[in-house]
Amino acid sequence: AQSVTQPDIHITVSEGASLELRCNYSYGATPYLFWYVQSPGQGLQLLLKYFSGDTLVQGIKGFEAEFKRSQSSFNLRKPSVHWSDAAEYFCAVGLIKTSYDKVIFGPGTSLSVIP
Amino acid sequence: GAVVSQHPSRVICKSGTSVKIECRSLDFQATTMFWYRQFPKKSLMLMATSNEGSKATYEQGVEKDKFLINHASLTLSTLTVTSAHPEDSSFYICSAGERGTYNEQFFGPGTRLTVL
Repeated sequence: AQSVTQPDIHITVSEGASLELRCNYSYGATPYLFWYVQSPGQGLQLLLKYFSGDTLVQGIKGFEAEFKRSQSSFNLRKPSVHWSDAAEYFCAVGLIKTSYDKVIFGPGTSLSVIP
Repeated sequence: GAVVSQHPSRVICKSGTSVKIECRSLDFQATTMFWYRQFPKKSLMLMATSNEGSKATYEQGVEKDKFLINHASLTLSTLTVTSAHPEDSSFYICSAGERGTYNEQFFGPGTRLTVL
C-alpha cells in the first residue's frame, strides 16, 4: 500500500541554522510529490512540488527539496531558518498523474525555532 | 494563486444538530474537491472526494450518511455533518483541484467544529 513517512515528529533548530526535514514514500511508480506548511490557525500552503524533470526543486520562502528515486525520498531543506518558519510541515504524495486521485499526507513534522 | 475559502471558520453546535460547511473556489473552476479531517497534532485524513455533478467517493471507514457531501457547481462543495456528536468535533479542511493542474490541490483555511 502507498504510504508517506516523516521520521521526525518534532525538530527544534536555532534561528539561522540549516534545516532538513525528511520524507520517504512507498509507491510503485514515480509519484507527484509535495511539501506543505501549516502555521497555527492557517490553512495549508504549498511550499514546492515535484512532477518531473530536475530532481532539485526550488520553492517559496527559500525552501528546496530533492527527489531521490533510489531512496524514495523527498527531503526538504532550508539553508538558514527564520523564526517565522516555525510551523507544521507535511510531505504529500499524489498517486495518479492523469487525473485527480488521492493525495496521501505524511504524519507531519513540527518545527520549533529557537531565537 | 488559486484561492479556496471555507465558511464558517468556527462553529459550535449542540449534540444532535446538523452543521453545513461550505467550500468555495474563488477564482478558478474546481473539477474536484476534497474533504479532510484533522485531529489535534495529527495529519490530514482524507474523508471523501467530490466531483462536480456526481456522487462523492468516500474513504473506507467514513460514514456517508453522517457526512453528506454535495458538489453542485464548479465552485462550491458542501459538507454537512448530520446529527453531530462530540466525537465529530474536529478541524475540517477542504481542498480544490484546478482543471488542468493534475494532482495539485489548493486548501481552504479550515473549519473548527465543536459539538457540545
